Amino acid sequence: AQSVTQLDSQVPVFEEAPVELRCNYSSSVSVYLFWYVQYPNQGLQLLLKYLSGSTLVESINGFEAEFNKSQTSFHLRKPSVHISDTAEYFCAVRGSGYSTLTFGKGTMLLVSP
Amino acid sequence: NAGVTQTPKFQVLKTGQSMTLQCAQDMNHNSMYWYRQDPGMGLRLIYYSASEGTTDKGEVPNGYNVSRLNKREFSLRLESAAPSQTSVYFCASSLAGGDTQYFGPGTRLTVL
Repeated sequence: AQSVTQLDSQVPVFEEAPVELRCNYSSSVSVYLFWYVQYPNQGLQLLLKYLSGSTLVESINGFEAEFNKSQTSFHLRKPSVHISDTAEYFCAVRGSGYSTLTFGKGTMLLVSP
Repeated sequence: NAGVTQTPKFQVLKTGQSMTLQCAQDMNHNSMYWYRQDPGMGLRLIYYSASEGTTDKGEVPNGYNVSRLNKREFSLRLESAAPSQTSVYFCASSLAGGDTQYFGPGTRLTVL
């Protein structure tokens, strides 16, 4: 079985401040990890993913996430957020041998001026 | 390239009515998925189709049926809608099972 826990349902932050969105997973096999973003009234879009290789992965808009196998975590970070980063962020896991993703419940990032 | 399209965007049903949600993708993907999104619950998989001609149950399949009409299209049917099926429904597709999924814009369904 595989599961994902996003520890914060909502994270308020001021513009230009750093942010970390936490994600922990549970799986009995090797994993592939994903972060998706959902802007208001839209579908989900892939933000970044870890499949293998370097444990630090980056997105084109300044987010990064680090796969930590010992802590079973895949936290998402950005050193300086913008108003436009306001959205809901979903962490997802796929265990080796599985053909579907399991999503966390989401974290709403609220960036204010 | 339209990506993943869903129709309708909005729908209101009365309890007991039936309807079909349509999904199509133009990316030549093999796998397609139906999710529902409810506040505080994240996305839950209803059904998926790993390839044309196959369908499998996900986490919450009760009250739903699916049809993989061809490689492009994957429909979701509610035979007798219930208020508990009020939700936002997303269709997604991927090149193969477990690969990056691409999502449609969603259908907002209300069952009265």
